Amino acid sequence: GAVVSQHPSWVICKSGTSVKIECRSLDFQATTMFWYRQFPKQSLMLMATSNEGSKATHEQGVEKDKFLINHASLTLSTLTVTSAHPEDSSFYICSASPQVTDTQYFGPGTRLTVL
Amino acid sequence: GQSLEQPSEVTAVEGAIVQINCTYQTSGFYGLSWYQQHDGGAPTFLSYNALDGLEETGRFSSFLSRSDSYGYLLLQELQMKDSASYFCAVRGGGNKLTFGTGTQLKVEL
Repeated sequence: GAVVSQHPSWVICKSGTSVKIECRSLDFQATTMFWYRQFPKQSLMLMATSNEGSKATHEQGVEKDKFLINHASLTLSTLTVTSAHPEDSSFYICSASPQVTDTQYFGPGTRLTVL
Repeated sequence: GQSLEQPSEVTAVEGAIVQINCTYQTSGFYGLSWYQQHDGGAPTFLSYNALDGLEETGRFSSFLSRSDSYGYLLLQELQMKDSASYFCAVRGGGNKLTFGTGTQLKVEL
């Protein structure tokens, strides 16, 4: 149980384009989903908290208009990197929590490369 | 601010016991989690301590001392497949996780 999927697993795009990443909880309903970014050999950094049916909360220093988050249902959250640039190349990982006090279960991650 | 410090690298031999320490300074604390991450993979949940003391889950144990802002992950009977990065993470308000700097564990024959 508690499986989280992400799609795509990797994506290569040109600078200036937008990329959408999906995060799905497959066998539970997630009231809260989180989006992280991880650069090579570094730790995971929380980008934003996504709550079903309400606006996402972005962490300090994370531009909400650049990293658009939509959590339209209890099993799906999407992260759109708008006008991507090479410095946005990273490993993007989502996690989902069945309830606000429960363990976070992580998706397999999406590797984004911006040329 | 939040900060969690871990040793950057630990090396041990197969079958041995290794301890990975984590010291933290956070503005909100509900518990300390441990995650394992293999290269290119997603973090996998290992253990969680909300209260002081030792939690045991198979070959892995985790300890927490809230008064010392300190915890550790203990791995016993090390196997080659345990070679990975290990992260401690503080659970704060809103169920947010703040991750530590990460420890690269290398298990040798």
